[in-house]
Amino acid sequence: DAKTTQPPSMDCAEGRAANLPCNHSTISGNEYVYWYRQIHSQGPQYIIHGLKNNETNEMASLIITEDRKSSTLILPHATLRDTAVYYCIVRVGLRRWESQGNLIFGKGTKLSVKP
Amino acid sequence: KAGVTQTPRYLIKTRGQQVTLSCSPISGHRSVSWYQQTPGQGLQFLFEYFSETQRNKGNFPGRFSGRQFSNSRSEMNVSTLELGDSALYLCASSLGQGESYEQYFGPGTRLTVT
Repeated sequence: DAKTTQPPSMDCAEGRAANLPCNHSTISGNEYVYWYRQIHSQGPQYIIHGLKNNETNEMASLIITEDRKSSTLILPHATLRDTAVYYCIVRVGLRRWESQGNLIFGKGTKLSVKP
Repeated sequence: KAGVTQTPRYLIKTRGQQVTLSCSPISGHRSVSWYQQTPGQGLQFLFEYFSETQRNKGNFPGRFSGRQFSNSRSEMNVSTLELGDSALYLCASSLGQGESYEQYFGPGTRLTVT
């Protein structure tokens, strides 16, 4: 699976959009981009994933560049509860029965949302 | 739908003892993966079970083992505990098949080895 690069930390004002970048310049055509976050001492929480197109759900939006070498997770209106470590993970999509049960976590970006 | 549950949430053991941790996946999920999280090493993959079979394994010694039951519940066992085994142990459940799918994590079991 391709390696990802994220800034170690970011600050965001409460109520503003938080834009978390991720570089995955070696991504291959069948690799998906996943985002998880981990609030202190809790299990990681799935946020969103995508392959080529931009994706949006109730939590966030995922913008993937046309060349797929980088992506941005957008939390549109950050709250204090969004303070967490955010992980960008690239994982190959596999055929039905092949193993893909593991995620390779890097160090992530520690997002601090400030009042 | 109920989330992933892990028991116990906290555990204190002594060096040399063994421990068994339990994970109940989301209903309908057939895959359970286990991870270890420490401040030094971060989140590391231990193993994955799918339909009662281990189908993927991380780089951990044989003291770490697991199993999955027919109802998809999973247990992991650590024998001959060492101080370095102190960690947050997380399990994640997923459908386990398909081109892409998300994994859902439980709250973890905090193991302290003294």
